[in-house]
Amino acid sequence: EPEVTQTPSHQVTQMGQEVILRCVPISNHLYFYWYRQILGQKVEFLVSFYNNEISEKSEIFDDQFSVERPDGSNFTLKIRSTKLEDSAMYFCASSAGDRGRNQPQHFGDGTRLSIL
Amino acid sequence: DQQVKQNSPSLSVQEGRISILNCDYTNSMFDYFLWYKKYPAEGPTFLISISSIKDKNEDGRFTVFLNKSAKHLSLHIVPSQPGDSAVYFCAASGWNYGQNFVFGPGTRLSVLP
Repeated sequence: EPEVTQTPSHQVTQMGQEVILRCVPISNHLYFYWYRQILGQKVEFLVSFYNNEISEKSEIFDDQFSVERPDGSNFTLKIRSTKLEDSAMYFCASSAGDRGRNQPQHFGDGTRLSIL
Repeated sequence: DQQVKQNSPSLSVQEGRISILNCDYTNSMFDYFLWYKKYPAEGPTFLISISSIKDKNEDGRFTVFLNKSAKHLSLHIVPSQPGDSAVYFCAASGWNYGQNFVFGPGTRLSVLP
């Protein structure tokens, strides 16, 4: 069964440094998402991406965050200048979205980001 | 602002019995609901969905019930198995394609042998 893959599984970065989290969504999916889960808290939506542009973003997704689909397979989340509070699990998800209605989102196993 | 609530942080059930996980939502614009299961160190895995035009959807041992007037849904697992032990998230969204999901805080289910 096709799956969403994320790399790396764990990223340790110094505060203030830039970090790029990578995702390969399911190949025929059209919508891509990033969520995060701070330890002990719920899964929170960050951003959705469709047709090479952001379609929706939450208030968490400020100017420090950006997303990109640099080629036909990868979907990246960049944090420009990391803060301690960015430490969390970051999940990438994708959905088909080609049937005129919302579809289940399929998640990767996440990247654990630790900011020191 | 908790738009999606799962008021039981944990639930323990004996193997073979029914597990009932509950979820309440406040946003009347939500039309599409999913249940996800999450094991430690893994991403959420999609289990079952229901749209607001239905009040029940079944898939094997999993059944989701939706009471739209009460803004309440529940996931029934029967019979429960030890491998079902995980955190279960309820998620809600609008009907239009591509909309993001709002997740509940999760319920940790422990199925005891």
